Amino acid sequence: DTAVSQTPKYLVTQMGNDKSIKCEQNLGHDTMYWYKQDSKKFLKIMFSYNNKELIINETVPNRFSPKSPDKAHLNLHINSLELGDSAVYFCASRASGGEETQYFGPGTRLLVL
Amino acid sequence: TQLLEQSPQFLSIQEGENLTVYCNSSSVFSSLQWYRQEPGEGPVLLVTVVTGGEVKKLKRLTFQFGDARKDSSLHITAAQPGDTGLYLCAGAAGGTSYGKLTFGQGTILTVHP
Repeated sequence: DTAVSQTPKYLVTQMGNDKSIKCEQNLGHDTMYWYKQDSKKFLKIMFSYNNKELIINETVPNRFSPKSPDKAHLNLHINSLELGDSAVYFCASRASGGEETQYFGPGTRLLVL
Repeated sequence: TQLLEQSPQFLSIQEGENLTVYCNSSSVFSSLQWYRQEPGEGPVLLVTVVTGGEVKKLKRLTFQFGDARKDSSLHITAAQPGDTGLYLCAGAAGGTSYGKLTFGQGTILTVHP
């Protein structure tokens, strides 16, 4: 059983398009995250939701809008895609209240042409 | 802003050699986690160290948390080709940070047979 799943795994699109990435976790966790991993493998947090509420919002362009319909899902919508948005986007989840281990999804490889 | 300096960035060694990866910061972390990431997959937690001076062993991997909880090291004894991968350290701020992790830049390890 997949703990944290993301769709799609690969996304190739043109500059200026709008796209969404979906994430679901079946671990019963109440905190979810979006990370961006650049070409140098540096992983940086973008957003975090706890029980559907936004709790972490790093310096991310407002073209990126996360949405959490329920605590098992955290989606990421990106408007007006730019070349610099090309990266691997990882979703992660964590059970709040003590344990700090985060469980990562397999990633979505976004290429903007 | 908390920063984690991870070194070396690249490590290419022969099977059977020993190696050490370092993570250093000027900030104190409530815990420090080490992840391993295989190509095409998300990071997977190896270990979490919480107490200053703590040493944890995972087969041939030894993890140490500095006394001041600002630095950590990962030592691999008698490396094997199966150890090849990207190793990431991540510091957790604790408190009301909602599990926010600050990642090091990563170490790409290649172990040649």
